[in-house]
Amino acid sequence: DAGVIQSPRHEVTEMGQEVTLRCKPISGHDYLFWYRQTMMRGLELLIYFNNNVPIDDSGMPEDRFSAKMPNASFSTLKIQPSEPRDSAVYFCASSRTGLHQPQHFGDGTRLSIL
Amino acid sequence: GQQLNQSPQSMFIQEGEDVSMNCTSSSIFNTWLWYKQDPGEGPVLLIALYKAGELTSNGRLTAQFGITRKDSFLNISASIPSDVGIYFCAGSKYNNNDMRFGAGTRLTVKP
Repeated sequence: DAGVIQSPRHEVTEMGQEVTLRCKPISGHDYLFWYRQTMMRGLELLIYFNNNVPIDDSGMPEDRFSAKMPNASFSTLKIQPSEPRDSAVYFCASSRTGLHQPQHFGDGTRLSIL
Repeated sequence: GQQLNQSPQSMFIQEGEDVSMNCTSSSIFNTWLWYKQDPGEGPVLLIALYKAGELTSNGRLTAQFGITRKDSFLNISASIPSDVGIYFCAGSKYNNNDMRFGAGTRLTVKP
């Protein structure tokens, strides 16, 4: 079975540019999560969706960050405008039954903002 | 957000040795999960714990949900080189949308 698929794997861009990260969850998983991982702050939950509806976005750091899930098989995390401090690895994860259950993670997008 | 207190931060051990790491919190959690992350990959679930006092094994791995619900530990017996990686604990609470991760324990196993 295909796992969670993220693209791109790596992104390098200049500050001020718009960045779009993409995720395809595991088929049949009703929950989708976006995380950010940095050395300083570790793994942080940014936002999660249930049946394509955002449930909790309290972890989104600023208005520059936005996430959408137009259908059950696709989600995007957008940063506009990007800043150097946004450099991190961004993970998408999905779960069949919820926040409190095991999550399956993608391999992440390593984002570098110059 | 605020993280769980995970220790040790790193461990250097000889192949064949046993390993123990733990996570603690000042508040109660309803679920404890343990993940392992290899370089360039996402975390992979090792063990999930749902009840206070629960002891669960997965091969050479054993994890326990602390009786106070404020801590959990993970043991690895007879370590092998492929155990190298970063181990994360994660805790969640049912009464709010709260999922937190520990800072991770980086394990190095010398052959």
